[in-house]
Amino acid sequence: EPEVTQTPSHQVTQMGQEVILRCVPISNHLYFYWYRQILGQKVEFLVSFYNNEISEKSEIFDDQFSVERPDGSNFTLKIRSTKLEDSAMYFCASKGDSGHTIYFGEGSWLTVV
Amino acid sequence: DAKTTQPPSMDCAEGRAANLPCNHSTISGNEYVYWYRQIHSQGPQYIIHGLKNNETNEMASLIITEDRKSSTLILPHATLRDTAVYYCIVRVHSGNTPLVFGKGTRLSVIA
Repeated sequence: EPEVTQTPSHQVTQMGQEVILRCVPISNHLYFYWYRQILGQKVEFLVSFYNNEISEKSEIFDDQFSVERPDGSNFTLKIRSTKLEDSAMYFCASKGDSGHTIYFGEGSWLTVV
Repeated sequence: DAKTTQPPSMDCAEGRAANLPCNHSTISGNEYVYWYRQIHSQGPQYIIHGLKNNETNEMASLIITEDRKSSTLILPHATLRDTAVYYCIVRVHSGNTPLVFGKGTRLSVIA
């Protein structure tokens, strides 16, 4: 069964450093998403992306965050200058053009120290 | 914010049916009901969705009331591996409308 893959599975970074989280969505999917989940809290929507541009973003997705699809396969989330409160699990998700279902990856654990 | 209300937790004996309720009294005519689950800290896993008819797949059944203001997810024979947080989400079907997660129901399947 096709799946969304994310790398790295876990990253530890120093406060103030830039981080890039990578995702390979399911082939032929056209809609892409990033979510985050702080430990013990609910899954929160960050941003959706379609046709090479952001469709919708939440209040969490401020100027420190950016997304891009650099090569037609990877979908990346960049955090420019990490803060302690950015420590969370980050989930990538994708959806096909005709399907109802949004499929999630297994997540990337980000720890900011 | 999530447009659904779910009990925070439920227990179910292994082998028995787990019935997870969800209220969505403000659901719009073009919104579907989706169920996802999250096992430990893994990525949310799609279970089932429906508009107004009852639905069944290999994982579960979804019963939606006639007025669409509530629904029940049924796991017919719960196993220990079904222990997870279950999320009921209403979402417009079209385009790339994101899923908005609430706190869900933590289902504990007990041996």
